[in-house]
Amino acid sequence: DIVMTQSPDSLAVSLGERATINCKSSHSVLYSSNNKNFLAWYQQKPGQPPKLLIYWASTRASGVSDRFSGSGSGTDFTLTISSLQAEDVAVYYCQQYYSTPRTFGQGTKVEIK
Amino acid sequence: QVQLQESGPGLVKPSETLSLTCTVSGGSISSYYWSWIRQPPGKGLEWIGYIYYSGSSNYNPSLKSRVTMSVDTSKNQFSLKLSSVTAADTAVYYCASEGYSGYDLGLFDYWGQGTLVTVSS
Repeated sequence: DIVMTQSPDSLAVSLGERATINCKSSHSVLYSSNNKNFLAWYQQKPGQPPKLLIYWASTRASGVSDRFSGSGSGTDFTLTISSLQAEDVAVYYCQQYYSTPRTFGQGTKVEIK
Repeated sequence: QVQLQESGPGLVKPSETLSLTCTVSGGSISSYYWSWIRQPPGKGLEWIGYIYYSGSSNYNPSLKSRVTMSVDTSKNQFSLKLSSVTAADTAVYYCASEGYSGYDLGLFDYWGQGTLVTVSS
């Protein structure tokens, strides 16, 4: 299985400031045939199912605010929230879909400082 | 807009079989992959497996010996059975589609609201 490890486990950021979450995979999720990283990010608010934010490591899903951006390649990835808003308080998960079983990071809780 | 809704008992006794059904509305179950994902209270997400509308499936090896998934295209439903449950199987169980809205396989785009299943005598 590909193990996904996120850091930090939680972070508190002031409104309007940048939030950065890291995700590291135990195996490269870069598929050489198409040069794409099979890495996604999800946002989960309390009492709700996760919502797809980013796929191919850096492509925003339909309707997702451009405050959210993803970067990285191979085994190291980052989710950035450029200017934290109150509605961004949530737990964020990275997920690899390079191989089965699909695996998720342990989650990073983002709060307002 | 596709909607998914989980249904099934909220309480299961240890050693018994957990059974859940996901009903898909607003779209067809055919030609797509359908997954089950669970989340123990206060913890992270674990992919249980997927089933294709044709009936082919792929299970997480950590659960494979206890999992059975099935699909009923006539009812637009798919189901999960997890046998020999213990307290460690207590979780919110979500059903989700993979790539329904044009995304690639492996991306979970539509989710049910989730149903809490507690394993306790």
